[in-house]
Amino acid sequence: GENVEQHPSTLSVQEGDSAVIKCTYSDSASNYFPWYKQELGKRPQLIIDIRSNVGEKKDQRIAVTLNKTAKHFSLHITETQPEDSAVYFCAEGSIYNQGGKLIFGQGTELSVKP
Amino acid sequence: DADVTQTPRNRITKTGKRIMLECSQTKGHDRMYWYRQDPGLGLRLIYYSFDVKDINKGEISDGYSVSRQAQAKFSLSLESAIPNQTALYFCATSDLQLGTDTQYFGPGTRLTVL
Repeated sequence: GENVEQHPSTLSVQEGDSAVIKCTYSDSASNYFPWYKQELGKRPQLIIDIRSNVGEKKDQRIAVTLNKTAKHFSLHITETQPEDSAVYFCAEGSIYNQGGKLIFGQGTELSVKP
Repeated sequence: DADVTQTPRNRITKTGKRIMLECSQTKGHDRMYWYRQDPGLGLRLIYYSFDVKDINKGEISDGYSVSRQAQAKFSLSLESAIPNQTALYFCATSDLQLGTDTQYFGPGTRLTVL
């Protein structure tokens, strides 16, 4: 069945360092992999997404990489800042053929220390 | 994002009571979802609806039911609440567009079952 494993569950870094969060999925039919950020007391919000026909996508300090063969995808945050502190969720889904349901990972609590 | 609203925002109830959580959206999206969030377990899908006549079970639908009263409204009911249904509940909407499927979350409802 559909399942997403996310690691680590908690991550603490110094301001300016990089942070990497990794996810593994099981459904070979999945072709859409978004990442959501949830600040304390707030709702989750999309920060970046990638489709299966792309290996890497960047948006300023954040990037996502996808390895379809290994069924891994990762979020990379460079030059971390205190405002990056939040819970990050990966997800898998399908955006074709009437898809749209997402399965989320367990979340990673990122703490950026000044 | 005031386009997706949830009522109530907080609710304390007793075991065995029937509870309804409501979600409304002004985004004009066809797709709506209900998730629950528990620490360490991420966001788990309860039910989802791709249009007014479509209702689908998610990962953890037991003990829950839903009603899609209109395109803009999607309600979640707990027929007989139990303590392990204590959680933060999120409603979300999306409008599947080619290449992406951003989900827009409501502010959440914190439910406590005593």
